[in-house]
Amino acid sequence: AQSVSQHNHHVILSEAASLELGCNYSYGGTVNLFWYVQYPGQHLQLLLKYFSGDPLVKGIKGFEAEFIKSKFSFNLRKPSVQWSDTAEYFCAVNVRNTGNQFYFGTGTSLTVIP
Amino acid sequence: GAGVSQTPSNKVTEKGKYVELRCDPISGHTALYWYRQSLGQGPEFLIYFQGTGAADDSGLPNDRFFAVRPEGSVSTLKIQRTERGDSAVYLCASSPFPGLAGGTDTQYFGPGTRLTVL
Repeated sequence: AQSVSQHNHHVILSEAASLELGCNYSYGGTVNLFWYVQYPGQHLQLLLKYFSGDPLVKGIKGFEAEFIKSKFSFNLRKPSVQWSDTAEYFCAVNVRNTGNQFYFGTGTSLTVIP
Repeated sequence: GAGVSQTPSNKVTEKGKYVELRCDPISGHTALYWYRQSLGQGPEFLIYFQGTGAADDSGLPNDRFFAVRPEGSVSTLKIQRTERGDSAVYLCASSPFPGLAGGTDTQYFGPGTRLTVL
């Protein structure tokens, strides 16, 4: 079945550690890719997105993600996490020209220890 | 400006009852989405509106679920004969574009309505 997979369900890091959260999708065709973040008690909000062009995209708060088409992956990275990065992170895929559905992964809970 | 708002924030109902959940999108956004998020899961697509019409309702789980957007702004998600399995957070999102490069642009999410069916 087609899906969006986030293999890391819970990640615990110390401040200043580097972060990489995995996202793989199984949809064919051309895709738009997104990472959304949900801070405790807040709405889902966009972290970054990829539509075309440079496969390395930069988002807010020092996050970046790299689209590797051959691996169907869109992993999220940050060189040095902060306590304020504690949140739930969701990868999402929109398959172009097949409609406007978004397919979300199950999310990764990140806890950063001060 | 104001973001997406959803009312009520919490709704507790009994099995078999009818509920309505409301979404006020960002002014001027033509696209509106409804999602359902169960505990430990990501948002699950339910329905998408472009203007007043439901452009894609393929995510609605069954005919107990229905949504309207009569004037192309506010939307109401309606659930008939609620079941315990309907308990979840219902999210609404709006987007300023109907589709970018054949796909969908950034969605702005509301805070959600937590529905509990006893």
